[in-house]
Amino acid sequence: EDQVTQSPEALRLQEGESSSLNCSYTVSGLRGLFWYRQDPGKGPEFLFTLYSAGEEKEKERLKATLTKKESFLHITAPKPEDSATYLCAVQAISPKLSFGAGTTVTVRA
Amino acid sequence: DGGITQSPKYLFRKEGQNVTLSCEQNLNHDAMYWYRQDPGQGLRLIYYSQIVNDFQKGDIAEGYSVSREKKESFPLTVTSAQKNPTAFYLCASSPRDRGRPEAFFGQGTRLTVV
Repeated sequence: EDQVTQSPEALRLQEGESSSLNCSYTVSGLRGLFWYRQDPGKGPEFLFTLYSAGEEKEKERLKATLTKKESFLHITAPKPEDSATYLCAVQAISPKLSFGAGTTVTVRA
Repeated sequence: DGGITQSPKYLFRKEGQNVTLSCEQNLNHDAMYWYRQDPGQGLRLIYYSQIVNDFQKGDIAEGYSVSREKKESFPLTVTSAQKNPTAFYLCASSPRDRGRPEAFFGQGTRLTVV
């Protein structure tokens, strides 16, 4: 069974203080690893898809990387508007996505 | 604008009632999904459908039912057999294209048992 573990559960940052979120996964035949951002009371917003080890994707202050066992979401010089819950998901042969519990990031001005 | 529309945003159910959550997409996606989200837990898959008139159970299908009569629509019924239905329900769709497997989500329906 596919397993996804995200750490830490919560992360409090000062504005401008860079940090990283971790997503460890166990899956047979990874088809894709996905990062989403979710604001309170809203649906998840798609950020990135990573397909193979060594791949990197960037969007504004966010950068996602992938190894054979884990993915990192790096937040560089965060701003208060980056406060959200970040979700990681994996997809294997089956079309379903398996999600981690998320990391809630709070950025203080 | 293309997207996924879930309605209603808030729904209240009395004990013993069945309720139906609506999900419509105009993205021309083949696959559609229903997830349930509870505080402190990851999203859990209820049902998914890859094509019209076909659907499969996910990890927590008991107490739920779905239909897929049209490509654009994938309604979820929460039956009285679901013992703990209070949760945030999310509908998603994806193109089933191996080059673009990512799923896109609606804004959710919050269901509360009263």
